[in-house]
Amino acid sequence: NAGVTQTPKFQVLKTGQSMTLQCAQDMNHEYMSWYRQDPGMGLRLIHYSVGAGITDQGEVPNGYNVSRSTTEDFPLRLLSAAPSQTSVYFCASSSLPGGMNTEAFFGQGTRLTVV
Amino acid sequence: DAKTTQPPSMDCAEGRAANLPCNHSTISGNEYVYWYRQIHSQGPQYIIHGLKNNETNEMASLIITEDRKSSTLILPHATLRDTAVYYCIVRAHTGGTSYGKLTFGQGTILTVHP
Repeated sequence: NAGVTQTPKFQVLKTGQSMTLQCAQDMNHEYMSWYRQDPGMGLRLIHYSVGAGITDQGEVPNGYNVSRSTTEDFPLRLLSAAPSQTSVYFCASSSLPGGMNTEAFFGQGTRLTVV
Repeated sequence: DAKTTQPPSMDCAEGRAANLPCNHSTISGNEYVYWYRQIHSQGPQYIIHGLKNNETNEMASLIITEDRKSSTLILPHATLRDTAVYYCIVRAHTGGTSYGKLTFGQGTILTVHP
């Protein structure tokens, strides 16, 4: 199994450009989420989804959009990149809590630099 | 979600047990204690979780106090590859769509030295 796959691994954007960070999982997990991690800090939740067609905001949603058209994919869109969005982005998936196995699996991250 | 408090850093000699403490004095009855670690900017990796009983798996043991206000993650025989940031997180398993969120704090930087 591939687990959680994020693409691209690295990206440099100019201020004002838009892009989509891709996240795909092959574990049939209902729950998917996006985090950002800035130097020396823990991960902060951007957006999450509990299933296809259902998304909600996390702690730091401004400047980001998400959609969940399939169970497998949860792309994160930056509509107009800003230097403050320079960060490492992690996607995660898990089965919904309440079940026995609620381990979250994380991708390897996308390192984004906005200049 | 209840907040957690961890020491910012700890050292451990290779081959010895690493005991990482976590305080979660405001934990609710439906909140579990989870531990994740992050090795050198990789994606976080799940270690273990528990509600009130002690838990053990192939990676670690989790000891939760009887009042559930604190816990300790034990790596029984630490290796150099266990050097990482360890995050203690409390997370509810019920209570609406927000219950799946993991709230990461600063974590504990564990350094295992030869």
